[in-house]
Amino acid sequence: SQQGEEDPQALSIQEGENATMNCSYKTSINNLQWYRQNSGRGLVHLILIRSNEREKHSGRLRVTLDTSKKSSSLLITASRAADTASYFCATDAGGNTPLVFGKGTRLSVIA
Amino acid sequence: NAGVMQNPRHLVRRRGQEARLRCSPMKGHSHVYWYRQLPEEGLKFMVYLQKENIIDESGMPKERFSAEFPKEGPSILRIQQVVRGDSAAYFCASSQEQGTQHFGDGTRLSIL
Repeated sequence: SQQGEEDPQALSIQEGENATMNCSYKTSINNLQWYRQNSGRGLVHLILIRSNEREKHSGRLRVTLDTSKKSSSLLITASRAADTASYFCATDAGGNTPLVFGKGTRLSVIA
Repeated sequence: NAGVMQNPRHLVRRRGQEARLRCSPMKGHSHVYWYRQLPEEGLKFMVYLQKENIIDESGMPKERFSAEFPKEGPSILRIQQVVRGDSAAYFCASSQEQGTQHFGDGTRLSIL
């Protein structure tokens, strides 16, 4: 069954603004990851946050995780037109268990 | 360092034909996963394999679908007697032991 649910489904912002996407999940997790998918392409791994971590940064990306609320957020600062893509959260239960994906947020950054 | 390679990128089949999708994992990766993505949807897990073994096939339809990862060569996802509902993008990912999954660019299957 679908685990992660992202919101909003679609987000349109101006270049330079910040973009925030949220993800909620239902069961206990080991890791939560965010991926980006450009149209017609595969998924690119952005960042992984472990269940015992609360916040993580990578360049212009900031991810938070609240296990009590079973939710995560992805913040992209100073967005660029090249950030236009779909963003997915994915959870796993540890080891080599399969990833469970949400439906994604489609981000459009307008120059 | 080549990434995960999937071929073909696009595959067109008529109803009733067979579709074979291939995936070569990244060098050094022994774990392979297949996912399916419908338009405007996230990826749904299908099957997880290690060399010569199916570890988890809980996401595979019970009929017409099969997967293998032989000792030599790529992993194959096989769909027999395809139907219109099989039209989707099929993604393969690979990982090392307990590592991040790296995805290929997918095979887009269209059924006429």
